[in-house]
Amino acid sequence: EDQVTQSPEALRLQEGESSSLNCSYTVSGLRGLFWYRQDPGKGPEFLFTLYSAGEEKEKERLKATLTKKESFLHITAPKPEDSATYLCAVRGSSNTGKLIFGQGTTLQVKP
Amino acid sequence: DGGITQSPKYLFRKEGQNVTLSCEQNLNHDAMYWYRQDPGQGLRLIYYSQIVNDFQKGDIAEGYSVSREKKESFPLTVTSAQKNPTAFYLCASNPQSSTDTQYFGPGTRLTVL
Repeated sequence: EDQVTQSPEALRLQEGESSSLNCSYTVSGLRGLFWYRQDPGKGPEFLFTLYSAGEEKEKERLKATLTKKESFLHITAPKPEDSATYLCAVRGSSNTGKLIFGQGTTLQVKP
Repeated sequence: DGGITQSPKYLFRKEGQNVTLSCEQNLNHDAMYWYRQDPGQGLRLIYYSQIVNDFQKGDIAEGYSVSREKKESFPLTVTSAQKNPTAFYLCASNPQSSTDTQYFGPGTRLTVL
């Protein structure tokens, strides 16, 4: 069964304190690992898609990496506006297009 | 502007009533999805549609129904058979289901009084 586990559930950082969020997954035939950012009361906002182990993508202070078992979302020198819940999802080899989501990591960055 | 719209943003329903949530997209996407989000849980798939006039049940379809009469629209009805309907409902779409990124609407928060 396809499964996604995110850790930690919650993370508090001081502004400028870099850290990483983890997304561990088991899926039959990975067809994409997706990172989203979600602000309270809003829909998830797309950040990155990774397709194969070794792939990396960056956007401003965020960098996503992928191995065969997990993905990391690295946050460098975070700012208070980076505070949000970060969601990880995977798509397996079925043709449904269905995404399996983790529970999310809620990040709070204090000034 | 291209995107996905959901309405209403907030919805209140009395027990025993059916209610329909709207989802519209002008991105020309083939596939559309409905997810439910509860506190402390990941998004769970309710229904999805890969093409007009066709849709399939997701993981938690009981108590819900959908239609896909137009490419742009994928309304979700929460029926009185849904035991615990209070949740945040999210609609998503992508060009094709197999590999493309899914993009989400702003969500509808349904509260049963």
